[in-house]
Amino acid sequence: ETGVTQTPRHLVMGMTNKKSLKCEQHLGHNAMYWYKQSAKKPLELMFVYNFKEQTENNSVPSRFSPECPNSSHLFLHLHTLQPEDSALYLCASSQDGQAGGSTNEQFFGPGTRLTVL
Amino acid sequence: QKEVEQDPGPLSVPEGAIVSLNCTYSNSAFQYFMWYRQYSRKGPELLMYTYSSGNKEDGRFTAQVDKSSKYISLFIRDSQPSDSATYLCAMSERNSGGSNYKLTFGKGTLLTVNP
Repeated sequence: ETGVTQTPRHLVMGMTNKKSLKCEQHLGHNAMYWYKQSAKKPLELMFVYNFKEQTENNSVPSRFSPECPNSSHLFLHLHTLQPEDSALYLCASSQDGQAGGSTNEQFFGPGTRLTVL
Repeated sequence: QKEVEQDPGPLSVPEGAIVSLNCTYSNSAFQYFMWYRQYSRKGPELLMYTYSSGNKEDGRFTAQVDKSSKYISLFIRDSQPSDSATYLCAMSERNSGGSNYKLTFGKGTLLTVNP
């Protein structure tokens, strides 16, 4: 496997279900991200992890719970979601520039298409 | 006013046409300017990035940044059907803690190049 992988690619769940999205990066990066992509809206940054520490939480509802056990793996735990949470969830990784000079190029996975019924 | 404005299109052009895609922004703290391409059912992939005002060319693609006008463009010459995708502009600034760059994306422009 190369790059950034995400599983599952498609997920349909009811509002009372609990499910998890998984992301794995094979690039040796130290930062990982969750984004939400909805139709006709810009990508919305949800969470950022840098060296396994959460450095950003963009006012995301608590029904989304991230977990980063190591710098290669990122999870998004979902529970009691709403139909408006249906979207493409993208994971990305980057190598953060320690002393500046990094463009913060982010490499994206293929996404998980989530449908909440 | 949104931080990054991008016309979502859709934009449909014949093969061989020159395509111009644009974004405007309001945040003077943006440092890097990027264009991502996203094919259907795929994640975005970085196409080009620029730091300073001016032009940067890569094959059929030219990225242009005008910081004084807060305006960026992507030009595609001799467009091909394989260029059909959604093009997302993105701009980065250091986050408040200084530990990462934070990307702000435009909505994306859906481009179709017809053979």
